[in-house]
Amino acid sequence: DAMVIQNPRYQVTQFGKPVTLSCSQTLNHNVMYWYQQKSSQAPKLLFHYYDKDFNNEADTPDNFQSRRPNTSFCFLDIRSPGLGDAAMYLCATSRPGGISTEAFFGQGTRLTVV
Amino acid sequence: AQKITQTQPGMFVQEKEAVTLDCTYDTSDPSYGLFWYKQPSSGEMIFLIYQGSYDQQNATEGRYSLNFQKARKSANLVISASQLGDSAMYFCAMRGAVGFNKFYFGSGTKLNVKP
Repeated sequence: DAMVIQNPRYQVTQFGKPVTLSCSQTLNHNVMYWYQQKSSQAPKLLFHYYDKDFNNEADTPDNFQSRRPNTSFCFLDIRSPGLGDAAMYLCATSRPGGISTEAFFGQGTRLTVV
Repeated sequence: AQKITQTQPGMFVQEKEAVTLDCTYDTSDPSYGLFWYKQPSSGEMIFLIYQGSYDQQNATEGRYSLNFQKARKSANLVISASQLGDSAMYFCAMRGAVGFNKFYFGSGTKLNVKP
């Protein structure tokens, strides 16, 4: 009954080789998020979508891109992964507006860069 | 901008005892929501409890309660009757009325429940 699904759970990529992480949802939520979480740190918001409206955080490196072809799917592209990009990547969804609506998270993709 | 501070990197608690995890926040938003999430070693963030800034009563959900002190800008999570399965990272998060689609997280507290 998973509502936010991330694939793959574990991804190993080579230094500099483009990699794509995927996220799908069955909740029909308008808002989708990508967070980067390094070991023992707070999840850091990279960007989010409100429907097709893309919102980039000011400090998100250009190396990170995203696509949302439809309501259900969202992709995170890392164009040239560096060793510092090794982290857990969390996808989340939420209904829009309203301070009371929680975010629903997937199980994350743990990215290793070799 | 919102800022969430969790000052306890790690906590130990004896099984069946209660534990309080601290969270303070800073925001200029007139209204906001505060959330607690649990993250087991598997990685998934699990929503635990919500408190609205205008809620008069502290939120409770089963063994979880939120000690909300608005004037002090604190929103501490209380877990009663700790269980071994409560061992995990716990994150405090905020969603503001301005930029309301964003969730901001604290740095987390790692809770270890001892048998």
